[in-house]
Amino acid sequence: DTAVSQTPKYLVTQMGNDKSIKCEQNLGHDTMYWYKQDSKKFLKIMFSYNNKELIINETVPNRFSPKSPDKAHLNLHINSLELGDSAVYFCASSLGDSGNTIYFGEGSWLTVV
Amino acid sequence: AQSVTQPDIHITVSEGASLELRCNYSYGATPYLFWYVQSPGQGLQLLLKYFSGDTLVQGIKGFEAEFKRSQSSFNLRKPSVHWSDAAEYFCAVGPGSGGFKTIFGAGTRLFVKA
Repeated sequence: DTAVSQTPKYLVTQMGNDKSIKCEQNLGHDTMYWYKQDSKKFLKIMFSYNNKELIINETVPNRFSPKSPDKAHLNLHINSLELGDSAVYFCASSLGDSGNTIYFGEGSWLTVV
Repeated sequence: AQSVTQPDIHITVSEGASLELRCNYSYGATPYLFWYVQSPGQGLQLLLKYFSGDTLVQGIKGFEAEFKRSQSSFNLRKPSVHWSDAAEYFCAVGPGSGGFKTIFGAGTRLFVKA
């Protein structure tokens, strides 16, 4: 039983394409996140949703659009993919605010060619 | 603005030797502090966290960390490193109650030699 699961794990796509990454958590958490980890392992928050409402949007290009259909799901759609979007994208969740432990998925490796 | 600095990009220790990974933070109030570990190809897993109280906190896998307010530090330690500890370690700071933005340091890669 994976607590935070995201699909696909690997994704190779061409520039200009549109792609989505799906995320689901079965922990009963009310807060979900998307983090981006670049090639130097730097981990940066992109979005955070609490009870399906967007509460953090960290100057991410509007080509990135998160969607939270319910508290257990937070999907990430990316339009017009660029080479610089290549990274590992981590979905995560927590119960309440960031004072609580954040549980991470295993990551989605996105390569744009 | 909150920030986290991990001065060491990578560290190599011999198996059985002690380990200390450094972390310095910047935050206006008492922060919530965390250490996470990332094994290759995996997501991050919490090792330990500090909110208040005893400044020496114990975590999983034999790790501990000490909060030193005067030095704005939260260093991670382990008395005897095992080969399986080789991984990337991230220090993080969160604003705590009512906040949702946890900031991560750049990470320290730990290599363990036999």
